[in-house]
Amino acid sequence: QLHLQESGPGLVKPSEALSLTCTVSGGSIFSSGYYWGWIRQTPGKRLEYLGTIHDSGTAYYDPSLKSRVTISMDTSRNQFSLRLTSVTATDTAVYYCVTTRDSSGTPSEHWGQGTLVTVSS
Amino acid sequence: SYVLTQPPSMSVAPGKTAKIACGGNSIGTKTVYWYQQKPGQAPVLVVDEDGDRPSGIFERFSGSKSGNTATLTISRVEVVDEADYYCQVWDTSSDQVVFGGGTKLTVL
Repeated sequence: QLHLQESGPGLVKPSEALSLTCTVSGGSIFSSGYYWGWIRQTPGKRLEYLGTIHDSGTAYYDPSLKSRVTISMDTSRNQFSLRLTSVTATDTAVYYCVTTRDSSGTPSEHWGQGTLVTVSS
Repeated sequence: SYVLTQPPSMSVAPGKTAKIACGGNSIGTKTVYWYQQKPGQAPVLVVDEDGDRPSGIFERFSGSKSGNTATLTISRVEVVDEADYYCQVWDTSSDQVVFGGGTKLTVL
């Protein structure tokens, strides 16, 4: 059974970069057939898709966040990561790492438990 | 950008049928997914492509779509079904993954 676990700072200052890592267990992120992505949920409970990456290293991002988002993989550690630059209070959310079926970013069959990131000085 | 509209809340009595709507322009031509989220937990995929259920999901859950509305139907509703439900599509025109705003289902 695939298990995903997010880790990273829970507090980030405005204008700085948010960095999170997802550690995958119960399967390899390389040649698994999955894509590996990130979704966040705002305090108002709205779900927002950030992007996804294939084990080829090709990443696909939501157009509205593309200039600030980078998703990368470390197959040796069975991890993938999210970096979001120039954060503001509107980036405060619970961040989930997920699997996606393809480059479209849908659907997400496996989710981590989520990690709350607050943007505040 | 593409917008999905869901009613913020609805209530249903145990044993009855709940129909949760998700409105979007020509949503009947898109692949629609549905997620269930209980308090303090991550969302769970309950309806997959073509209305299919992922492994482990009760057969009481089903999905349909036509025109500008997609519907999640929960038959014989139980107290354990009380949760937030979200619809999701990939809009090819904008290349965006879009979620509905969610519907809070209360089982009275």
